[in-house]
Amino acid sequence: GIQVEQSPPDLILQEGANSTLRCNFSDSVNNLQWFHQNPWGQLINLFYIPSGTKQNGRLSATTVATERYSLLYISSSQTTDSGVYFCAPVSYSGAGSYQLTFGKGTKLSVIP
Amino acid sequence: GAVVSQHPSRVICKSGTSVKIECRSLDFQATTMFWYRQFPKQSLMLMATSNEGSKATYEQGVEKDKFLINHASLTLSTLTVTSAHPEDSSFYICSARDAFGTVNYGYTFGSGTRLTVV
Repeated sequence: GIQVEQSPPDLILQEGANSTLRCNFSDSVNNLQWFHQNPWGQLINLFYIPSGTKQNGRLSATTVATERYSLLYISSSQTTDSGVYFCAPVSYSGAGSYQLTFGKGTKLSVIP
Repeated sequence: GAVVSQHPSRVICKSGTSVKIECRSLDFQATTMFWYRQFPKQSLMLMATSNEGSKATYEQGVEKDKFLINHASLTLSTLTVTSAHPEDSSFYICSARDAFGTVNYGYTFGSGTRLTVV
């Protein structure tokens, strides 16, 4: 199956700083999703981005499918941004189905 | 937007008993739902794909007789952990995607169920 690598595994930021999280994947994918898992375990959709760049407030994401990577940018970080960020490429799993494969995540801690 | 409701959010059960977890898509139809398991400080691992009206497809290493999945309607899938043991303690999360693509939010996840078997 597809392999997903996220970096860095851990990141500590001072409030107000910017950061870039990276997701590499080993095979062609149909789409890619970024999630934020909050301390209570809820997975929150951030972006559904097969290619190109999307922006939502202080967050933006870029996927370069031909080079098999995606980046998540967080600008002017806030303490509420803390949590684990997962990328999950969407790939065909057979019999007309698609599935997500999760990376191990980047644990972000934003300190005041 | 697409909403997936998962219940219960937390359950503690005695070893040997069974626990049922429900996953509902509230504002869209989902022919396919997914069940994941997450151990502390680890990633999500896909357990099975639940298909409405047919048998679930289990990932390698997941016991289908222990983790019973039923997807009886386009809005409801259930996961039953049978004869639970302490090693089954984990965070279980379901997800679904709009079957008709009218809601372009990708895959939406429930809030998860934290199962503790004592």
